[in-house]
Amino acid sequence: AQSVTQPDIHITVSEGASLELRCNYSYGATPYLFWYVQSPGQGLQLLLKYFSGDTLVQGIKGFEAEFKRSQSSFNLRKPSVHWSDAAEYFCAVGDRDGGSQGNLIFGKGTKLSVKP
Amino acid sequence: GAGVSQTPSNKVTEKGKYVELRCDPISGHTALYWYRQSLGQGPEFLIYFQGTGAADDSGLPNDRFFAVRPEGSVSTLKIQRTERGDSAVYLCASSPGGTGMNSPLHFGNGTRLTVT
Repeated sequence: AQSVTQPDIHITVSEGASLELRCNYSYGATPYLFWYVQSPGQGLQLLLKYFSGDTLVQGIKGFEAEFKRSQSSFNLRKPSVHWSDAAEYFCAVGDRDGGSQGNLIFGKGTKLSVKP
Repeated sequence: GAGVSQTPSNKVTEKGKYVELRCDPISGHTALYWYRQSLGQGPEFLIYFQGTGAADDSGLPNDRFFAVRPEGSVSTLKIQRTERGDSAVYLCASSPGGTGMNSPLHFGNGTRLTVT
């Protein structure tokens, strides 16, 4: 069965510092991969997605993620964090081989705190 | 334009009662999804509609949960004989539809259900 692991429950970084949020997945082939952000009281917003092609994908708000097949990872990165980036981040995988389009498997999330 | 709207934003009910949660998708979106997010967890897929029909209801936890989308727009998630374990944030998402996962999901802000 597909699964997603986000090993870090909570991360605190200083404003201006770099950020990397980890995501590992379990899937028989190359899945569709997503990162979503959820701010307090807000809906989930798509940051970026990987379907195929270039393994380094760029997203909104200055985020990027790199798909590494050998490590079954899709880590999210940002070179310089802003205070407004404080939120919860979810990695998700989708079934490439069929099933419903939106039947995503989400990780448990990583809460990001940003200190001044 | 208007995003996905969910009402009510908060719902408190007593154990054993019946509740209905409403989702207004983005106009023209043919695909609609319900997810459930328990405290400290990522969203879990419940059901997916393409048009009026439930294309995938494999995530519904038991027969107390039911969802409809009679005119292919607004959807209602119905929970009978609520239990304390049903307490969660219920998220709705819509997408333009189409094949594969190229259609991004647009999430609402959710309905926080508390069963006392």
